[in-house]
Amino acid sequence: GQQLNQSPQSMFIQEGEDVSMNCTSSSIFNTWLWYKQDPGEGPVLLIALYKAGELTSNGRLTAQFGITRKDSFLNISASIPSDVGIYFCAGTYSGGGADGLTFGKGTHLIIQP
Amino acid sequence: DSGVTQTPKHLITATGQRVTLRCSPRSGDLSVYWYQQSLDQGLQFLIQYYNGEERAKGNILERFSAQQFPDLHSELNLSSLELGDSALYFCASSVDGLAGPYEQYFGPGTRLTV
Repeated sequence: GQQLNQSPQSMFIQEGEDVSMNCTSSSIFNTWLWYKQDPGEGPVLLIALYKAGELTSNGRLTAQFGITRKDSFLNISASIPSDVGIYFCAGTYSGGGADGLTFGKGTHLIIQP
Repeated sequence: DSGVTQTPKHLITATGQRVTLRCSPRSGDLSVYWYQQSLDQGLQFLIQYYNGEERAKGNILERFSAQQFPDLHSELNLSSLELGDSALYFCASSVDGLAGPYEQYFGPGTRLTV
């Protein structure tokens, strides 16, 4: 089945630093989504990407859909304490029939004061 | 608040038992998805319903089943429970799930402890 490799597994950064994480897939996706999950809560959608090469921003967050359709990255600029959490990439290939999302294992973001 | 509701928040039961998890999608969403999240497997897609009909199946065990009712709420039934079924179970919904957009909004989850 489809697999998503998400890296890094965890990041320890200082407040104010920029963050970059990425996902690669063994197969083509036509939708990439990025989620953030806080402990004990459900994933919250951050950004959705639908076209190869697409670059989309949401405040301090920027995500890109890779040209090969097999990868995506998420950048967070000027990190703040509330950015702490687990970030997941997710993808799906829905060619006329829907399917569930395939998730990466997550990037655990820890911000040191 | 995503607009997706799930009940109960926590469920503690014993091996061999059967439980039902409930989900109400966002207003207007026709598709409901169920996911299982565990430490070793991560977030895994189980099953999707669209407007009352099963649409896609993922890694769902035969002991598990789901349905979506005419009012679009969904239930996930887990039977003959085993210790390994302990996990967080999430429901997500999307507007369509057939022709897009494919953005899925997640509920707060049900934590099942067997």
